[in-house]
Amino acid sequence: SAVISQKPSRDICQRGTSLTIQCQVDSQVTMMFWYRQQPGQSLTLIATANQGSEATYESGFVIDKFPISRPNLTFSTLTVSNMSPEDSSIYLCSVLTGTSTETQYFGPGTRLLVL
Amino acid sequence: SQQGEEDPQALSIQEGENATMNCSYKTSINNLQWYRQNSGRGLVHLILIRSNEREKHSGRLRVTLDTSKKSSSLLITASRAADTASYFCATEDDKIIFGKGTRLHILP
Repeated sequence: SAVISQKPSRDICQRGTSLTIQCQVDSQVTMMFWYRQQPGQSLTLIATANQGSEATYESGFVIDKFPISRPNLTFSTLTVSNMSPEDSSIYLCSVLTGTSTETQYFGPGTRLLVL
Repeated sequence: SQQGEEDPQALSIQEGENATMNCSYKTSINNLQWYRQNSGRGLVHLILIRSNEREKHSGRLRVTLDTSKKSSSLLITASRAADTASYFCATEDDKIIFGKGTRLHILP
C-alpha cells in the first residue's frame, strides 16, 4: 500500500498568482499522477510525473500552466500558474504501485479557490 | 461510504465483439462515472452519467443507469485491441470512490 500526503490541504488565492502543491509518498513508487476535479465534475488526469524527466501532459494541459517536478521516487510538486477563477478545483496526487496487481492510491487532495 | 463494485472482475472477448461490464453501488448518488486505466497508466475519464439520466452514448461507448436497482452498465461495441484495459466505475460522496475494476482483454 501507499500513504500519500499533500500540502496545502486547501488555499484561497488571488487571480494571477501561482500555487505549488506538494505530494509526499511513504514509499518509493514509479508512477505518480496529478488529477484535477472541478466542482461537480469527474476526475481529469493532468499529467504523469516522471522521475528525472519532464512530465507527460494530457491533452488540454501544458507545462507552462502546470509545471511539475519529480526530483525523486517519493515526492512531486504541481504548480498552478497565473491562476484564474476557472482553476478553482480539487487537485489530487496519485500513485500506482504493486507488482502482480497494480493499485492506484490517491492523496487527500488540495482544495483551491481562486478569487 | 458507498462503493461501486464491477462485475465481472475479468473479461476476455474476441476483437469485434461487444463487451459489457456492470457496476453496482449501495446508496443514492448524484452521478456515476466510468474510467479506463491502461496498464501502468493513469485513470482516464470515459463518461459521467447523472442520476436523472438513464442512458448516455459516447462513440462506441454506451452507459446505462438504473437508480432503482442501483446499477450501471458500460457497453463497448465492436471492441478493438486498444480497448484492452481495466475499467472502473466510481461514485461520489464527499470524495470519489472507485470499485475494484473489470480487467478487459481483447483477443486478436
